[in-house]
Amino acid sequence: SQQGEEDPQALSIQEGENATMNCSYKTSINNLQWYRQNSGRGLVHLILIRSNEREKHSGRLRVTLDTSKKSSSLLITASRAADTASYFCATDAGAQKLVFGQGTRLTINP
Amino acid sequence: SQTIHQWPATLVQPVGSPLSLECTVEGTSNPNLYWYRQAAGRGLQLLFYSVGIGQISSEVPQNLSASRPQDRQFILSSKKLLLSDSGFYLCAWSVQGAEPQHFGDGTRLSIL
Repeated sequence: SQQGEEDPQALSIQEGENATMNCSYKTSINNLQWYRQNSGRGLVHLILIRSNEREKHSGRLRVTLDTSKKSSSLLITASRAADTASYFCATDAGAQKLVFGQGTRLTINP
Repeated sequence: SQTIHQWPATLVQPVGSPLSLECTVEGTSNPNLYWYRQAAGRGLQLLFYSVGIGQISSEVPQNLSASRPQDRQFILSSKKLLLSDSGFYLCAWSVQGAEPQHFGDGTRLSIL
């Protein structure tokens, strides 16, 4: 069963705008991770936020985590065409594995 | 630095034929290894994972099997492919289960 569910399923914005994607999960976690997947390629790890953290930044990426609501958001500021990709959240499910959501397809229009 | 190699990049196989996909990792020892399948436009389905040589955990009962004959080698196999085995297969490694996973570039498998 899927632990993380992203929202929206698809997002299309203009270059330079900010993009926000959300992830909800069902059970307690130790950490939550965000990944990017360009079309036809493997996933690339973007950022990991631990359960005792509320916010984390990496370049133009900002991730928040609200464990009381079991949700996380990924904000990409000043979007670029190269940010066009699918974005996935993943939660640790114990037993040495992660559970990935269905992803958000982000399209940046020039 | 660590690298992960996955091949072939694309594969077209007839129904009923066998399958062997190979994944190798360089630059690290005793990694956790993972096989995922991804349907078009969907998320990742974990198929198998391994925390050590000869140790395989199966997540979804199906027509596939996995083996880890060496520390940094992970193989996905089938004796007889089904149409439903089509998809994008991804191999990944991590230091341990809850840490970031590093993915290969995948194998797109088409069954005719």
